[in-house]
Amino acid sequence: GAGVSQSPRYKVAKRGQDVALRCDPISGHVSLFWYQQALGQGPEFLTYFQNEAQLDKSGLPSDRFFAERPEGSVSTLKIQRTQQEDSAVYLCASRPFQGPSYEQYFGPGTRLTVT
Amino acid sequence: AQKVTQAQTEISVVEKEDVTLDCVYETRDTTYYLFWYKQPPSGELVFLIRRNSFDEQNEISGRYSWNFQKSTSSFNFTITASQVVDSAVYFCALKFSEGGSEKLVFGKGTKLTVNP
Repeated sequence: GAGVSQSPRYKVAKRGQDVALRCDPISGHVSLFWYQQALGQGPEFLTYFQNEAQLDKSGLPSDRFFAERPEGSVSTLKIQRTQQEDSAVYLCASRPFQGPSYEQYFGPGTRLTVT
Repeated sequence: AQKVTQAQTEISVVEKEDVTLDCVYETRDTTYYLFWYKQPPSGELVFLIRRNSFDEQNEISGRYSWNFQKSTSSFNFTITASQVVDSAVYFCALKFSEGGSEKLVFGKGTKLTVNP
């Protein structure tokens, strides 16, 4: 079946612009995660949804970052007034069930470059 | 602290060599889960294995094997008879239970290059 998809795959933004990154999880997956991966680093957690509820946003680096999942499927990560330090790959992952032991399935990521 | 350390930044081997990727973790929890993911140049993280803290049994899957030792807080990954297609960045990750957290904490990754 189809995996997690993300769009756009690449995004170049000028400093100060707003961007919106989309994630389509695997159909029926309850949980959805966003991670930020800087060059040469491991992914770092940003936020987590269970259905439409955002249960953990402790990893969002500033109030310029906002995520939503209004109908419990597609999610959008929005970054306002982008800064150069926001340049990274943004990874989305989904998981079929609630529960700690299930693995997360990752999308290909969106590479954001802020110039 | 909840932390994963992958001390090897880069490893280069010749095809058919065996290679072990190290992972050391720190957690206060008694219940936790450990994962390995592979990230090929395409960028997508591919799940390889999950282990929970109650199961120290080692696992083998084809050319891949994992050695989980709670006594040393390590979860090492060995590729036997490496192949060029194994070239990728490999991440070890920890999921702990404190506070009901669902996030994965990743190490910085080990870049493996298998040369023909």
